[in-house]
Amino acid sequence: EPEVTQTPSHQVTQMGQEVILRCVPISNHLYFYWYRQILGQKVEFLVSFYNNEISEKSEIFDDQFSVERPDGSNFTLKIRSTKLEDSAMYFCASSGDRGAPYNEQFFGPGTRLTVL
Amino acid sequence: GESVGLHLPTLSVQEGDNSIINCAYSNSASDYFIWYKQESGKGPQFIIDIRSNMDKRQGQRVTVLLNKTVKHLSLQIAATQPGDSAVYFCAEKVGTYKYIFGTGTRLKVLA
Repeated sequence: EPEVTQTPSHQVTQMGQEVILRCVPISNHLYFYWYRQILGQKVEFLVSFYNNEISEKSEIFDDQFSVERPDGSNFTLKIRSTKLEDSAMYFCASSGDRGAPYNEQFFGPGTRLTVL
Repeated sequence: GESVGLHLPTLSVQEGDNSIINCAYSNSASDYFIWYKQESGKGPQFIIDIRSNMDKRQGQRVTVLLNKTVKHLSLQIAATQPGDSAVYFCAEKVGTYKYIFGTGTRLKVLA
C-alpha cells in the first residue's frame, strides 16, 4: 500500500540554524500539507500546497517557514532560523484529486524536531 | 507522533463494549469533518469523515454523528478492541484546504 514517507525521523539542531524537513507524498497525489504537533498538544495545520503554490497557511506559518516541491516526488518544509518553540513533531500529509477537497489525507510518520 | 498529554481527556472502556468519543467544533461554517486515530509514534490515521449535509455516517465498526445545531461531533466505536487504544482527534475543514484539529481523547481499552 502506498504511504507517505518523511526524513529524517529525528532532527536535532541549534537555535538559529536552518532545517529542511523532507517528505515524499504518495505518488499520484496532488495536494500536500504540513502540520506540527508540540508534545502534549493537538495537531496544528501549517500549510497546504497545490499546483506548485501555497493554497492556505496558518498564523504559525510566518516568514521563517517556506515550502517547496523541488522535483516530482519531494515536498519540503524549511525553517530558516529555528527557535526553541519550533521543537515539535512535524507531519506531512497528501491527498488525491478524487473528491477533493472532501477526501482523505494520508499522513507520514513524522519528523521530530528538537531545537537546542 | 505520540500525543502525550497530562491534560488529555481519557476514556476507559472494557473490551467488547461500545465507545463514544465526543468533539465540539468551533466554526459553524465548516462543511467537512474527519476523525483520526493516532497510535503511539505514528502519524494520524483517517478513520471516517462526514460532510455537513449529513447527520450520520457509518463505516466498519465506526459511526460518526454530526449535530450542527450545537456544533458537536461524535465517534462511536462498536465492540471496542485492544487495537483501538489510541488518541482520537476530530478535525474540521475551515478553509478550502485548511483544517483545525481538536484537542484529542485518549481511548484505553481494558481487557
